[in-house]
Amino acid sequence: EAQVTQNPRYLITVTGKKLTVTCSQNMNHEYMSWYRQDPGLGLRQIYYSMNVEVTDKGDVPEGYKVSRKEKRNFPLILESPSPNQTSLYFCASRPGGENEQFFGPGTRLTVL
Amino acid sequence: SQQGEEDPQALSIQEGENATMNCSYKTSINNLQWYRQNSGRGLVHLILIRSNEREKHSGRLRVTLDTSKKSSSLLITASRAADTASYFCATGAQWGYALNFGKGTSLLVTP
Repeated sequence: EAQVTQNPRYLITVTGKKLTVTCSQNMNHEYMSWYRQDPGLGLRQIYYSMNVEVTDKGDVPEGYKVSRKEKRNFPLILESPSPNQTSLYFCASRPGGENEQFFGPGTRLTVL
Repeated sequence: SQQGEEDPQALSIQEGENATMNCSYKTSINNLQWYRQNSGRGLVHLILIRSNEREKHSGRLRVTLDTSKKSSSLLITASRAADTASYFCATGAQWGYALNFGKGTSLLVTP
């Protein structure tokens, strides 16, 4: 089944404890993105990647890192999480060109 | 940067009625897409309309695009309770990769 998977789905952590949210897609898509969704703010793009080893900042990249060493994986790294990073995170992928984006199920992160 | 802005923010209708949501945007686009999100879950793609298209249909969905007014509308005909969800428009930039989402319209369809 074609899909985007994220892990973990739920995470409660404390300020400053490094964490990684994994994202994987099995559709051989070139483009992958991370978004965060907050009440009243909609979806905001954190980082995106156009292909292996090619990443760029979105609208809200501060406090996040990403890497794209393999085409299928695009992990999101929070080196030192803070409470303002409490949010619902979505990974997404799509083929090149004008195409629909496929979203993962989301990761609900709480930073205490 | 967020570009699409949906209107209204919330909409409540009864089953069988039509639901219309609007999206306005600010800069030139390649395409505009509509997505649905059921409470707290991942977004699901509904329909994509390119900048050279004016109208597109998919089942009970009808999307229009007016590039001169920088606006789009999503019409859901004969709504069902299962259509209850948030609906987002997303604009594909003319230059670059970004897909910019609005804040969404929350639709409630009551039996």
